[in-house]
Amino acid sequence: DIQMTQSPSSLSASVGDSVTITCRASQGISNSLAWYQQKPGKAPNLLLYAASRLESGVPSRFSGSGSGTYYTLTISSLQPEDFATYYCQQYYSTPHTFGAGTKVEIK
Amino acid sequence: EVQLLDSGGGLVQPGGSLRLSCAASGFTFTNYAMSWVRQAPGKGLEWVSGISGSGGSTYYADSVKGRFTISRDNSENTLFLQMNSLTAEDTALYYCGKGSYYEINAWFGPWGQGTLVTVSS
Repeated sequence: DIQMTQSPSSLSASVGDSVTITCRASQGISNSLAWYQQKPGKAPNLLLYAASRLESGVPSRFSGSGSGTYYTLTISSLQPEDFATYYCQQYYSTPHTFGAGTKVEIK
Repeated sequence: EVQLLDSGGGLVQPGGSLRLSCAASGFTFTNYAMSWVRQAPGKGLEWVSGISGSGGSTYYADSVKGRFTISRDNSENTLFLQMNSLTAEDTALYYCGKGSYYEINAWFGPWGQGTLVTVSS
């Protein structure tokens, strides 16, 4: 199984800040990576797929990059509605493993 | 608009069984793979199982293999998860999700609202 190591587990930031979350796969996943946002009591919401492609309707302040085993999610100019938990997930092969999550909190 | 309505959760005793359903609408159901993920209270997301558009290919996490069975009724646009030999470790909110392609190895979204499974005596 492919292990996904996500960091940091939490971070504090202010509105307007730029933050970056990283996800490292235990083997190459050929950009088969999705990022999700989850707010308390809600289902996960797809933000990006194929490492860098923005899902329809997602604000352009969200961006993704990476290749091979190393991927990042960047949120530029944090907005109040962005405070949530973020997960990466590889879909290169089953089981489609998730990272442990990054909780983005208000400083 | 894609809609996924999860149901079938509840309280069950250890060793018991439960069948979850996910009623889909707003897209051609048979054209897309589907998956289940779960989230234990206060924990992260865990992928549980997936199925191809035809239902001919199924996939499971090691933690549920041999106990859970995923299936779909393409005539009724419904996804199922039959859960047997349940343990306390299966307590979680279960979400069904729509794949982006017919086959399983693609991204998923949106997800249903979730149905809560509690395994306790």
